[in-house]
Amino acid sequence: KQEVTQIPAALSVPEGENLVLNCSFTDSAIYNLQWFRQDPGKGLTSLLLIQSSQREQTSGRLNASLDKSSGRSTLYIAASQPGDSATYLCAVRPISGGYQKVTFGIGTKLQVIP
Amino acid sequence: SQTIHQWPATLVQPVGSPLSLECTVEGTSNPNLYWYRQAAGRGLQLLFYSVGIGQISSEVPQNLSASRPQDRQFILSSKKLLLSDSGFYLCAWSVPGGSDTEAFFGQGTRLTVV
Repeated sequence: KQEVTQIPAALSVPEGENLVLNCSFTDSAIYNLQWFRQDPGKGLTSLLLIQSSQREQTSGRLNASLDKSSGRSTLYIAASQPGDSATYLCAVRPISGGYQKVTFGIGTKLQVIP
Repeated sequence: SQTIHQWPATLVQPVGSPLSLECTVEGTSNPNLYWYRQAAGRGLQLLFYSVGIGQISSEVPQNLSASRPQDRQFILSSKKLLLSDSGFYLCAWSVPGGSDTEAFFGQGTRLTVV
């Protein structure tokens, strides 16, 4: 059974700092990995989707990397801003089965202090 | 463009009362639909998913049920709520078939059973 772990559970950084969020998974037979953002009391917003054949994806100040063999992904946020404060979740979809087989991490709660 | 609507945003219900949460998707046909529950300190738990009208798969035995009376409508129900049903409920949709690579989430419903 796939297990997805996100460390740290919470992170507080001053504005402007570059930061890295970590996601690890136990089964490397994945189809893709996705990073989401969740604001308090809201749904999930997709940030980046990395296919298993890719090493990284970039969107603005966000860069996500994937090392499938070691079961790790990182989300790099450059020049953090108070508006980046949210919970960040990663989700891993296995090779077999549809989206119903996706496993979600618990998330990292990020606070960017002005 | 596709949109997903989920309501109500918040709900406080007494123990033993019925429940009906509704989710509708616009701008797509024959989507795969999902109901998740998110509890504090836990990852998203898939409750039900549907690949078509009247086709419901249950992932976790519980006090809840789901129905899909129309192509783009997904309803989560309970005849008698339990305290343990409290949580944050999320509806999501994905494109079926080979494009079933990611899901799009609604804004969620915070259910408190008192």
